Amino acid sequence: DAGVIQSPRHEVTEMGQEVTLRCKPISGHNSLFWYRQTMMRGLELLIYFNNNVPIDDSGMPEDRFSAKMPNASFSTLKIQPSEPRDSAVYFCASSQTGFGNTGELFFGEGSRLTVL
Amino acid sequence: QQQVKQSPQSLIVQKGGISIINCAYENTAFDYFPWYQQFPGKGPALLIAIRPDVSEKKEGRFTISFNKSAKQFSLHIMDSQPGDSATYFCAASSPRKGGATNKLIFGTGTLLAVQP
Repeated sequence: DAGVIQSPRHEVTEMGQEVTLRCKPISGHNSLFWYRQTMMRGLELLIYFNNNVPIDDSGMPEDRFSAKMPNASFSTLKIQPSEPRDSAVYFCASSQTGFGNTGELFFGEGSRLTVL
Repeated sequence: QQQVKQSPQSLIVQKGGISIINCAYENTAFDYFPWYQQFPGKGPALLIAIRPDVSEKKEGRFTISFNKSAKQFSLHIMDSQPGDSATYFCAASSPRKGGATNKLIFGTGTLLAVQP
């Protein structure tokens, strides 16, 4: 089975531009998470969805960040306008939660964003 | 109170030695404590996990030791191998209503290098 699929793998953009990162979770998983990884702050949870509904977005840095999950097989994380301090690796992860499930997170390979 | 503190930041071990990584938490509601392993250019992947009803869990060369009263848990890698060189993250989560797993809070990571 395919794992979590993220695109693009690498993105280089200029400050002020809009960036859209995409994620396809594992089929059948009902929870989806967006994490950001930097050397200084490690893995930070930005937002997570359960059954396509945002449950906790307290980690979203500011209004420039937004995330959507229009259906069970697709999610986007958008940054508009982007700033150099947004440079990081953004991970999407999915899990199958509920009674009898471990809630193990399955991560994609990440989208490395560089904002010049 | 939502933080998970991890140490050391980096670790160098000789092949065949024991690698020990420690984590501490404050939130007594946490009830699930996984360790994730991340290789360069990849997303983190679940290595081993424990719940607070046991004090130790062993899977092959990897052991989690859990001290509920001290609110600490650690990862021990026995007979460390160069292939174990990776970044290791501890994490914790608390239960949600309905048995669904809540968001994972990650430690800051430990970069392990096992020298041949």
